[in-house]
Amino acid sequence: QSVLTQPPSASGTPGQRVTISCSGSSSNIGSNTVNWYQQLPGTAPKLLIYSNNQRPSGVPDRFSGSKSGTSASLAISGLQSEDEADYYCAAWDDSLNVLFGGGTKLTVL
Amino acid sequence: EVQLVESGGGLVQPGRSLRLSCAASGFTFDDYAMHWVRQAPGKGLEWVSGISWNSGSIGYADSVKGRFTISRDNAKNSLYLQMNSLRAEDTALYYCAKDELRGSSSGAFDIWGQGTMVTVSS
Repeated sequence: QSVLTQPPSASGTPGQRVTISCSGSSSNIGSNTVNWYQQLPGTAPKLLIYSNNQRPSGVPDRFSGSKSGTSASLAISGLQSEDEADYYCAAWDDSLNVLFGGGTKLTVL
Repeated sequence: EVQLVESGGGLVQPGRSLRLSCAASGFTFDDYAMHWVRQAPGKGLEWVSGISWNSGSIGYADSVKGRFTISRDNAKNSLYLQMNSLRAEDTALYYCAKDELRGSSSGAFDIWGQGTMVTVSS
């Protein structure tokens, strides 16, 4: 069971806005920045959001991140079929480990 | 092209050892911290270990502490993971990943290799 808690699944229809939550504690999300990864089937993870809300070059602005207290969220607007993937949050913990959430499987209906 | 290529995976018996390598190219390797992340079949991501640009700071997940050793050779642009006393639960695809922050570690991994599979079974 992961220290960072994500819903196992989420879904939406094309064009909709979907959010994925990530809940932690004061020793991880509460005191460190949050990163988000997208993993398409059969491929390596891709950095989607870093430092809570920053998008690497090439990531569409449909993807956004936010953090409040010990929780963080990933929002995807204008949902597209190619967004169907697994999404993971991650953060440093004060024990000097990088923690990943359990992952959320996003289905585009 | 920025690239990470892992090698060294395979089938190994419980209790034996294996050494993974990761060859980096397309960026200034010795400017960045590097990490190993694994993914068991059908499961999520698990951070295994990380090493700072100058090997001065090293960390391990509790699940591998005392059994795995991370190292790097900046002259060869290479990262390594020595895995000893392997267990069935170490079976996973092992990814090499680059930290996005130059000179330190943000814990955000912006470049990933394709992974090398390690299977621990008798």
